[in-house]
Amino acid sequence: EAQVTQNPRYLITVTGKKLTVTCSQNMNHEYMSWYRQDPGLGLRQIYYSMNVEVTDKGDVPEGYKVSRKEKRNFPLILESPSPNQTSLYFCASSFTGAANYGYTFGSGTRLTVV
Amino acid sequence: SQQGEEDPQALSIQEGENATMNCSYKTSINNLQWYRQNSGRGLVHLILIRSNEREKHSGRLRVTLDTSKKSSSLLITASRAADTASYFCATDKIRGTYKYIFGTGTRLKVLA
Repeated sequence: EAQVTQNPRYLITVTGKKLTVTCSQNMNHEYMSWYRQDPGLGLRQIYYSMNVEVTDKGDVPEGYKVSRKEKRNFPLILESPSPNQTSLYFCASSFTGAANYGYTFGSGTRLTVV
Repeated sequence: SQQGEEDPQALSIQEGENATMNCSYKTSINNLQWYRQNSGRGLVHLILIRSNEREKHSGRLRVTLDTSKKSSSLLITASRAADTASYFCATDKIRGTYKYIFGTGTRLKVLA
């Protein structure tokens, strides 16, 4: 089944403790992206990647890191999480260019930082 | 207002009625996409319309795009209770890039 898999689904952590949210897709998509969703603010793009070793900042990159060493994986790293990073996070992927028929989203990771 | 802003913010209709949601954006785009999100779950892609298209259909969905007005509408015909969800439009914030931006969504409630 074609899908984007995020792990974990739920995570509660303490301020300052480094964490990684994994994202993997099995559709050979070039493009991958991370979003956070907060009430009243909609989805905001954190980082995106056009292909292996090519990443760029979205609208809210502060406090986050990403890497794209393999085409299928795009982990989101919070080096020192803070309470304002409590949010619902989504990973998404798609083909690029004219082959882009829209994103496939993961099921989300609900992160709470206390 | 934000790029990709939906209107109305909330909509409540009876089953069988049609639901129309609108999306406005500010910059030139390559394409505009509509997504559905059931409460707290991942977004599901509904339809993509390219900037050189004016109308597109998919089942009970009809999307229009007016690039001169920088707006799009999503029409769901003969709505069902299962259509209850939030609907988002997404556009490429800077044309030709993949800085996609989503609006804050329209919350649709279909009453049985």
